[in-house]
Amino acid sequence: DVKVTQSSRYLVKRTGEKVFLECVQDMDHENMFWYRQDPGLGLRLIYFSYDVKMKEKGDIPEGYSVSREKKERFSLILESASTNQTSMYLCASTSPNGPSNQPQHFGDGTRLSIL
Amino acid sequence: AQKVTQAQTEISVVEKEDVTLDCVYETRDTTYYLFWYKQPPSGELVFLIRRNSFDEQNEISGRYSWNFQKSTSSFNFTITASQVVDSAVYFCALSEAPRDDKIIFGKGTRLHILP
Repeated sequence: DVKVTQSSRYLVKRTGEKVFLECVQDMDHENMFWYRQDPGLGLRLIYFSYDVKMKEKGDIPEGYSVSREKKERFSLILESASTNQTSMYLCASTSPNGPSNQPQHFGDGTRLSIL
Repeated sequence: AQKVTQAQTEISVVEKEDVTLDCVYETRDTTYYLFWYKQPPSGELVFLIRRNSFDEQNEISGRYSWNFQKSTSSFNFTITASQVVDSAVYFCALSEAPRDDKIIFGKGTRLHILP
């Protein structure tokens, strides 16, 4: 069965801290994505990656960076956390060569609070 | 530019009633994909359906059905004989070829099924 694992379900950090959110997939997928989800705004794409060491900005990249050193792992980094980054963060993966009817697999999400 | 509009922010119905969730999309491409995802209270996103722009046939899966109409740019989702377990946030989404794995989500509709 497919699996996207996010390292934490809940995380509390302080303003100014450097925060790492980790995502690992076991499906050998090329493509990985980070979204944030806020009430009334739906899911918004932060960054995505189509290959190792490759990254592209999504719709709201400001204040974030990412790292893709290995195919199975895609990390989201908050360089200096701020309270407006309190949100639910969702990681997803997909393969361009995968089954056409299931394009993205999502992790369970990390609910991040910045105090 | 791509856009997905879910005008219904929140809907409440009594169990066993039918309910339709509306989705209207905008795209300049002739080849695109439409999706519905379900997010139960536990938080994970569950893929429900993907439909490409060349297939306007309606789809039925158990109590779920989808009505795709290109003429009105709509991809509506109906739950027949709703159950309490259907309570969730439902997202409609759109992606454009050739990179159909980058998905734009609507803001979601929160559905409450009352016992």
